[in-house]
Amino acid sequence: GNSVTQMEGPVTLSEEAFLTINCTYTATGYPSLFWYVQYPGEGLQLLLKATKADDKGSNKGFEATYRKETTSFHLEKGSVQVSDSAVYFCALSGRAGGTSYGKLTFGQGTILTVHP
Amino acid sequence: AAGVIQSPRHLIKEKRETATLKCYPIPRHDTVYWYQQGPGQDPQFLISFYEKMQSDKGSIPDRFSAQQFSDYHSELNMSSLELGDSALYFCASSIKNRGSSLNTEAFFGQGTRLTVV
Repeated sequence: GNSVTQMEGPVTLSEEAFLTINCTYTATGYPSLFWYVQYPGEGLQLLLKATKADDKGSNKGFEATYRKETTSFHLEKGSVQVSDSAVYFCALSGRAGGTSYGKLTFGQGTILTVHP
Repeated sequence: AAGVIQSPRHLIKEKRETATLKCYPIPRHDTVYWYQQGPGQDPQFLISFYEKMQSDKGSIPDRFSAQQFSDYHSELNMSSLELGDSALYFCASSIKNRGSSLNTEAFFGQGTRLTVV
């Protein structure tokens, strides 16, 4: 079946530091890959997505590239802000094995805390 | 823009009681998904509906049932509640692209926090 593995957290950074959150996946077929962000007490918000190999998703300074050869979708940001503090989830969806496109398999989440 | 609406936002129930969670998808979205997120856990897929028919099933307990109505809103019914059912329940919606078997990405509601005491 499908699975997503994220780097263990929590991650604590100073403002303006570089951020990388690793994400690798296991899936049959050609999944789509997503990063969702969850702020305290809030729901899940789509941060960015990529639907095929070598696609780069980007939003609000965050980027992630769909790497089929390494089955990875690492999240990066060049300069984090205090307001980026949240939980970040890597997720995939696909059509393999009858799975509907919008059904998501999430990673375990990474807590990011950014200090001034 | 309209988003996915869930009600109630918070719910406290006692063990063995029943609970009903409601979800109103984004207008014109035809697919609804339910997820359960336990404390400190990642969201787990429960069940989904497309055009009022169940389209996929995940780790949903037999004590839970769900349906999608003609106006596309959905309800998750939970009976014989257990302490372990305390969680954040998310609903998400998407729309199937015309001429394709694929849906757009899922848009999530803010969730219903269920506490079983």
